[in-house]
Amino acid sequence: EAQVTQNPRYLITVTGKKLTVTCSQNMNHEYMSWYRQDPGLGLRQIYYSMNVEVTDKGDVPEGYKVSRKEKRNFPLILESPSPNQTSLYFCASAGHSGGSPLHFGNGTRLTVT
Amino acid sequence: DQQVKQNSPSLSVQEGRISILNCDYTNSMFDYFLWYKKYPAEGPTFLISISSIKDKNEDGRFTVFLNKSAKHLSLHIVPSQPGDSAVYFCAATDSWGKLQFGAGTQVVVTP
Repeated sequence: EAQVTQNPRYLITVTGKKLTVTCSQNMNHEYMSWYRQDPGLGLRQIYYSMNVEVTDKGDVPEGYKVSRKEKRNFPLILESPSPNQTSLYFCASAGHSGGSPLHFGNGTRLTVT
Repeated sequence: DQQVKQNSPSLSVQEGRISILNCDYTNSMFDYFLWYKKYPAEGPTFLISISSIKDKNEDGRFTVFLNKSAKHLSLHIVPSQPGDSAVYFCAATDSWGKLQFGAGTQVVVTP
């Protein structure tokens, strides 16, 4: 089944403790991206990747890192999480950038205390 | 800065009637527009899209209209069904991978 898999679904952590949210897709998609969803703000793009070893900042990249060492995986890294990073995170992939529809994962609910 | 705006946070419509969702954008470099639907506890799913070279695209009950001069697009759902109750996000993208979403409109279809 074609899908984007994020793990974990729920995560509670403390300020400053490094964490990684994994994202994997099995559709051989070139384009992958991360978003955070906050009330009243919709989905905001954190980082995106047009292909392996190519990553770019979205609208809210501060406090996040990503890597794209292989096509199927695009982990989101929070080196030193802070409470303002408490949010619902979505990973997505698409065949290519531009108008290709995104396939989203089911989300990761992160709480930083 | 918010370059894609959905000014109606919610919309209530009767089953069988038309739902019209609106979206405005400010960046003239956007060349593709997409609508996504989201149910609670799930990721958004793609609904319909339109390229900037078109002014209308239709897929079953869903039609998207684009007015480039006004930088405005709308999604029409006819007829509305109970399963259409969800949050709808408008999104716009350029050719280089940046994608911006609106804040979303919660649609409630009543019997």
